[in-house]
This record gives sequence, structure tokens and C-alpha cells, in this order.
Amino acid sequence: GIQVEQSPPDLILQEGANSTLRCNFSDSVNNLQWFHQNPWGQLINLFYIPSGTKQNGRLSATTVATERYSLLYISSSQTTDSGVYFCAVQGGSEKLVFGKGMKLTVNP
Amino acid sequence: NAGVMQNPRHLVRRRGQEARLRCSPMKGHSHVYWYRQLPEEGLKFMVYLQKENIIDESGMPKERFSAEFPKEGPSILRIQQVVRGDSAAYFCASSRGTGGQPQHFGDGTRLSIL
Repeated sequence: GIQVEQSPPDLILQEGANSTLRCNFSDSVNNLQWFHQNPWGQLINLFYIPSGTKQNGRLSATTVATERYSLLYISSSQTTDSGVYFCAVQGGSEKLVFGKGMKLTVNP
Repeated sequence: NAGVMQNPRHLVRRRGQEARLRCSPMKGHSHVYWYRQLPEEGLKFMVYLQKENIIDESGMPKERFSAEFPKEGPSILRIQQVVRGDSAAYFCASSRGTGGQPQHFGDGTRLSIL
């Protein structure tokens, strides 16, 4: 089945810093979603981005489907950005395959 | 427009009891998915259902677990004779269609086994 790798696995930032999260996948996809799991365990959908670039406030994402990767940018990070970020893809079946996640800690 | 609703948010069971988790999809969505998140891990697919049909159950444990999505009412994930290893967060998602439609997630049910 399709493989999803996220990097880095952990990241610690000072408030105000920028960061880039990467998601590599092993096969062509027809869906890619980025999620933020907050400290209360809720899964927040950030982007639905099988290709192209999208922006939402301080967050933006780019997926280069032909090269099988996606990037999530967080600018001017805030303590509320802390949590785990997941990339998930959908290939030949309807199920989403999740990466192992990236734990982000933003210190004040 | 209400999102995906899961209940209960937290469920505590003793070993050997049954656990029933409920999921109501978003309005207009007829595709439901269940995922399980073990502690400190990512989410893993369990089962995909449409109304009255199980489409893909490749991620379901072979024993004790079952799922349904009846014509009327919510989707149910049922775990019989629970064991400690069933402790996890169970998430439900729904989508409008297939072929790469985005999946919208509920807040999950946290199952704890005593």
C-alpha cells in the first residue's frame, strides 16, 4: 500500500518563528489532507490539497503531486499552534493513510 | 451546518464488557469511515461504510469488532468483550462521495478499558 513519511518528527520553536513541515508519499494520490491534532485530541482539518497551493491566514500548503510531496508552512508561530500535525493521503482506495505525525511545541 | 457528531466523547468499560460508539455524518454525506488512534501513534483505517453496506473492512480486527451504518440512524462501531489493548481514540469521518472527496472528522471517542 501507499507509504507516507513526515519530517521532521519533532520540532521546538520560539513564538514568532516560521516552520516548514514535509510529507512524502510513495504513489500517486487523489486526495491529500493536512490535520492539526490539538492537545485536547481534536483533529482539525487544515487543508484539502491534492495539488497546488492554498493559504489560510498564517498557514499555507503546497502539494507537488508529480514529485509526490507536500509542504505545510507555519509563519509567525503561536503557542496555540502546538500539537501534532498529520499528513494523510488517499490513493487507489477510499481510505486515508496517515503519516506518523510531527509534534510541534511552540514556547512563549 | 453541523459537523460529524460522535458520542460519547469518553467511554470507560471493564474488561469483557461491550463498547458501542456512535457516529452521525455531516448532512448530505453518505460515506462513513472509522479510524483508530492508539496512544502516541497516528490514525489507522478500520472500515468504510455506505448506507446499509460495508465497502471495505480491511482494517478491522478479525474478532470482536463490527460496524454498521443502517438506513436510519447513526453508524455504530461495536467492540465485544473488550480488552486493555482496545484502549484508544476512535475517530469517525464522513465524505460526500468517493474518488478523492475530502473526509471530515468528528472529535473522536476516547475508550478506556479498566
